[in-house]
Amino acid sequence: KQEVTQIPAALSVPEGENLVLNCSFTDSAIYNLQWFRQDPGKGLTSLLLIQSSQREQTSGRLNASLDKSSGRSTLYIAASQPGDSATYLCAPKAVRGSQGNLIFGKGTKLSVKP
Amino acid sequence: ETGVTQTPRHLVMGMTNKKSLKCEQHLGHNAMYWYKQSAKKPLELMFVYSLEERVENNSVPSRFSPECPNSSHLFLHLHTLQPEDSALYLCASSRTANTGELFFGEGSRLTVL
Repeated sequence: KQEVTQIPAALSVPEGENLVLNCSFTDSAIYNLQWFRQDPGKGLTSLLLIQSSQREQTSGRLNASLDKSSGRSTLYIAASQPGDSATYLCAPKAVRGSQGNLIFGKGTKLSVKP
Repeated sequence: ETGVTQTPRHLVMGMTNKKSLKCEQHLGHNAMYWYKQSAKKPLELMFVYSLEERVENNSVPSRFSPECPNSSHLFLHLHTLQPEDSALYLCASSRTANTGELFFGEGSRLTVL
């Protein structure tokens, strides 16, 4: 059964810092891995999707890497801004198990202070 | 319009009420999902529909009844709920059930009194 761990659970940084969020998963047989952000009381916004054959994906100040064999992904945020404050969730889509099921971690709650 | 729209955004109901949550996607996707997000717990998959057929029912109690009349619409019918069912219910869609990128709606916040 796929299990997803995100470290740290919470992170507070001053504006302008570069930061890394970590995600680990136990079953490396995945189709892809998706990173989301969630603002309080809101739905999830897709940030990046990495296919199992890819090593990284970039979108603006965000860069996500994937090391499938070791069951790890990182989300790098450059030059953080207060608007980046949110909970960040990673979700690998496993080949085995329930069809169409993303398994979510508990997330990293990020606070960027002005 | 946003890609995935959910209504209502907030719902308060008694344990004996019957209500429905609605989800509509404008992305031309073939798969739709219901997820439940409770406080301090990871998101849990409830149901998956692919091409209007239910392909996954993740051990959800029968007081939750999904309906997918076409590939753009998904409902979650609620009856005789319990207070512990209070949660944020999120709808999502993807191009395909297995490999597609998921897009979520804003969610329906349900409170059961």
